[in-house]
Amino acid sequence: ETGVTQTPRHLVMGMTNKKSLKCEQHLGHNAMYWYKQSAKKPLELMFVYNFKEQTENNSVPSRFSPECPNSSHLFLHLHTLQPEDSALYLCASSPRQGGRGYTFGSGTRLTVV
Amino acid sequence: GIQVEQSPPDLILQEGANSTLRCNFSDSVNNLQWFHQNPWGQLINLFYIPSGTKQNGRLSATTVATERYSLLYISSSQTTDSGVYFCAVYNAGNMLTFGGGTRLMVKP
Repeated sequence: ETGVTQTPRHLVMGMTNKKSLKCEQHLGHNAMYWYKQSAKKPLELMFVYNFKEQTENNSVPSRFSPECPNSSHLFLHLHTLQPEDSALYLCASSPRQGGRGYTFGSGTRLTVV
Repeated sequence: GIQVEQSPPDLILQEGANSTLRCNFSDSVNNLQWFHQNPWGQLINLFYIPSGTKQNGRLSATTVATERYSLLYISSSQTTDSGVYFCAVYNAGNMLTFGGGTRLMVKP
């Protein structure tokens, strides 16, 4: 256990469903990140939150909607996804944005059918 | 943006063998990290290494920032070393950019 917890571990959803991914850290970190890992591709940064404020949106489609209610929790709301959105979604945190000490969760394996 | 290339993309070793993984980056970076992703998807930080050499057990890493590369050495490999090794660099905006990874399989 790294201190960053992601739920659920696995998720299968239809293209018309709405679901949410959750990430929680109790490391006292102030920055949180969502990454997407597709097969045969490098990890792609999706969103960055620093002290609950979104500081980076890496041209992510609007069907992905992040939410950061406090520095310990990060959500990724999903709606009307496409099969190509199937991937491993990883959450990470760090003491400050861009600083050392990145800690990753175990990820949510998402399959869109 | 900055490009990060890792080689080889795939590597198969017999248990006990040594290996060297390479990471090249296209521009000056503030820092560099090596990660290991186990077969269950968990990414673990191995080294935070802006320059020089660090060692941790059977693993060591060397970064030559002026020549824009880093090397990860694995000695006396074990089956538990299997997984994907990622190099990630901090760009000018202090954001981590990942390479494509080296997929390592260590056979017993």
